[in-house]
Amino acid sequence: DTAVSQTPKYLVTQMGNDKSIKCEQNLGHDTMYWYKQDSKKFLKIMFSYNNKELIINETVPNRFSPKSPDKAHLNLHINSLELGDSAVYFCASSQEGSGTTNEKLFFGSGTQLSVL
Amino acid sequence: AQSVTQLDSQVPVFEEAPVELRCNYSSSVSVYLFWYVQYPNQGLQLLLKYLSGSTLVKGINGFEAEFNKSQTSFHLRKPSVHISDTAEYFCAVTLPSGTYKYIFGTGTRLKVLA
Repeated sequence: DTAVSQTPKYLVTQMGNDKSIKCEQNLGHDTMYWYKQDSKKFLKIMFSYNNKELIINETVPNRFSPKSPDKAHLNLHINSLELGDSAVYFCASSQEGSGTTNEKLFFGSGTQLSVL
Repeated sequence: AQSVTQLDSQVPVFEEAPVELRCNYSSSVSVYLFWYVQYPNQGLQLLLKYLSGSTLVKGINGFEAEFNKSQTSFHLRKPSVHISDTAEYFCAVTLPSGTYKYIFGTGTRLKVLA
């Protein structure tokens, strides 16, 4: 079974549309993340949730809204998509996110978003 | 604030040759250090991590890294690379006290040539 799964793998859409990316982890982790990887492979954290509570919101436009219905799920909804939103979005999870010796990020395989 | 610098954006190397990928970090407090690998069209996987103790850390696939506090470096090495090692490699830091935040470097593309 895939530890961190995100869907869809590819998403092609027009500017101005609203879209969602779903993420689920079956590892029993408390903390989940969304990262954005741009065309130059730079990885930047967007959001972090711990036990369904928003911990990190890294100056992301409010068109991006994460939602965590439970510890195992963290979805990302994007309103009014713009050309600059084109990137690969990675979901990840970790045991605690608290810098313990168990600390390690488990990544999903990514969602490639192309805004036309 | 913490930051990570990977000086080389691309490193070409011939198969069976040794390789070193450089990572330097900046932090006023102790940090945990990581190397992740990203194969094409995949998510990142952990190669190895340094939390404390021995400064030489061994990871998967024959990789190792050495933590050097005085030089604030955490360089990744492999004595003999294979074609299958071609991938993007990311150095990352996080704080032991827990910030729920990893800071990644800009990545180094390792290209192994036949």
